[in-house]
Amino acid sequence: AQRVTQPEKLLSVFKGAPVELKCNYSYSGSPELFWYVQYSRQRLQLLLRHISRESIKGFTADLNKGETSFHLKKPFAQEEDSAMYYCALEGITGGGNKLTFGTGTQLKVEL
Amino acid sequence: GAGVSQTPSNKVTEKGKYVELRCDPISGHTALYWYRQSLGQGPEFLIYFQGTGAADDSGLPNDRFFAVRPEGSVSTLKIQRTERGDSAVYLCASSPSGASTDTQYFGPGTRLTVL
Repeated sequence: AQRVTQPEKLLSVFKGAPVELKCNYSYSGSPELFWYVQYSRQRLQLLLRHISRESIKGFTADLNKGETSFHLKKPFAQEEDSAMYYCALEGITGGGNKLTFGTGTQLKVEL
Repeated sequence: GAGVSQTPSNKVTEKGKYVELRCDPISGHTALYWYRQSLGQGPEFLIYFQGTGAADDSGLPNDRFFAVRPEGSVSTLKIQRTERGDSAVYLCASSPSGASTDTQYFGPGTRLTVL
């Protein structure tokens, strides 16, 4: 069975401080991992995926298969980063990419 | 272009009633997903459509839940004999083809409250 764990419900940091949102997973195959973000009063949207190895809005995430982790990082937090962040794992089923989500971490960036 | 839309945005019903939730995917997207998000939880997969057919309905919690997509576009999630535990936000997502390289685009959700 596949599972995603986000141990922190709430993470509060000051503006300009580094941010690390933790995500651990369990999956028997080769995982496809994602970070989704939901800003206040907006819909859930993709932030980044590990296969793209890209930086979006200053965020990066590295897949560590040894530690089964996919932590989201940003060196300097901005006020507009305040949002709910969900880590998700893709499981291939019937040809479609069903997502398994963690419980989410609320990031609050304080001035 | 227009994103995924869902109606109604809010639905309040009484225990035991029947409800229908509608999803309009992005035009041309063949893959459509339903998820359910309970308070304090992440979205949980319910069902996946590829075109008109349900390719994976393993997430439907029981036989009170049913979904259709008769013309391969709009989908309706149907819940019979609603229970208080069905209260949640129901999310719909679509993607171009269901391939692993696709991005899933989410709708705003329907908040269902069962009294």
